Amino acid sequence: NAGVTQTPKFQVLKTGQSMTLQCAQDMNHNSMYWYRQDPGMGLRLIYYSASEGTTDKGEVPNGYNVSRLNKREFSLRLESAAPSQTSVYFCASTGTQSSYEQYFGPGTRLTVT
Amino acid sequence: DQQVKQNSPSLSVQEGRISILNCDYTNSMFDYFLWYKKYPAEGPTFLISISSIKDKNEDGRFTVFLNKSAKHLSLHIVPSQPGDSAVYFCAASAGGTSYGKLTFGQGTILTVHP
Repeated sequence: NAGVTQTPKFQVLKTGQSMTLQCAQDMNHNSMYWYRQDPGMGLRLIYYSASEGTTDKGEVPNGYNVSRLNKREFSLRLESAAPSQTSVYFCASTGTQSSYEQYFGPGTRLTVT
Repeated sequence: DQQVKQNSPSLSVQEGRISILNCDYTNSMFDYFLWYKKYPAEGPTFLISISSIKDKNEDGRFTVFLNKSAKHLSLHIVPSQPGDSAVYFCAASAGGTSYGKLTFGQGTILTVHP
């Protein structure tokens, strides 16, 4: 039981390049989330998926797209990376709509030059 | 507009003493509050939570207090241990159609000295 896994762990992009961050969970959770963590800002919600087949914007969605590929997988795509997207990205999941406790992956450290 | 605020960026405590981490919120729709702990290069892990119908919740060395009228919550760690050194985030949820969506504070770096 690996919990929440994220790939890659580290990535360096040039401005304008695109990439997809992958997230998978093996806990049969319904809801999944993408956050970014920046110094002094805490974790901010980018997008979330309340259940398979649905996605919604969070607090800071601009410049990102998401895909809930199936119940296990939730990917985050940067179409044209910008230096402002340099951050640590965390994926999380939670089991039911009545559960607030989220389980987090280990994070992806992204640098955009 | 920071709806959840942790005004102390850092806290330093001696081993065995009490650590008190504070969190303030502005959104009166928040009805569930959580504390997460984060070590470097790892994801946050859930520590303890409290519903707005309670004013205190304990789990071993960790106690969370909620003062709804002041829109303030605090996490007490007694006794503090060096392994507690980490970043602590408070988070809040508004329930309803916001199920699962959490708003986080900026975090407080706790250092426990041996």
